[in-house]
Amino acid sequence: AQSVTQPDIHITVSEGASLELRCNYSYGATPYLFWYVQSPGQGLQLLLKYFSGDTLVQGIKGFEAEFKRSQSSFNLRKPSVHWSDAAEYFCAVGAYAGKSTFGDGTTLTVKP
Amino acid sequence: GAVVSQHPSRVICKSGTSVKIECRSLDFQATTMFWYRQFPKQSLMLMATSNEGSKATYEQGVEKDKFLINHASLTLSTLTVTSAHPEDSSFYICSAEGLAAPYEQYFGPGTRLTVT
Repeated sequence: AQSVTQPDIHITVSEGASLELRCNYSYGATPYLFWYVQSPGQGLQLLLKYFSGDTLVQGIKGFEAEFKRSQSSFNLRKPSVHWSDAAEYFCAVGAYAGKSTFGDGTTLTVKP
Repeated sequence: GAVVSQHPSRVICKSGTSVKIECRSLDFQATTMFWYRQFPKQSLMLMATSNEGSKATYEQGVEKDKFLINHASLTLSTLTVTSAHPEDSSFYICSAEGLAAPYEQYFGPGTRLTVT
């Protein structure tokens, strides 16, 4: 069975500081990995995805994530956080997008 | 591109009534659409997968007679919550997977259902 763990329920960073959101997964084969962002009362927007190839993937809004098979991790990073990045972030793993399993999410608060 | 809409965005209904939620892919054809339920401060729970012209596949524990899903065309799927009760109150989100990018799903903005 596939599963996703996002160890940090809530993270607070200052605007302009760097950010790393953690994601650990359990999956029997090479997974498809996704990061999504959700603003309050809204649907999810895909930030980036990993299927194969280069383990460092670039996404929208300045985000990147690194796939580390040995650590079963797919952490999301951003070098300088903007106030508009405050939102809920979900990591997902699956055989393909539709059958993904989502983590419980990490709430990001950005301090001015 | 790849825009998915949902209607209505918010709905309040009385206990025992039925409510229909529409999910439309506006600028692409969606071979598959998915319906999720999200409780406050929690993750998304996949309820069912629907393919155009065929019966939906429901996840374990989801009552197919309560949550009726119809995927009549490549751009429209509907979720009908029948005989709604207060415990059905939730945020319902649909997503669509397109022909052009089968490994990506695009999410609608969600529908907040409140059953009184």
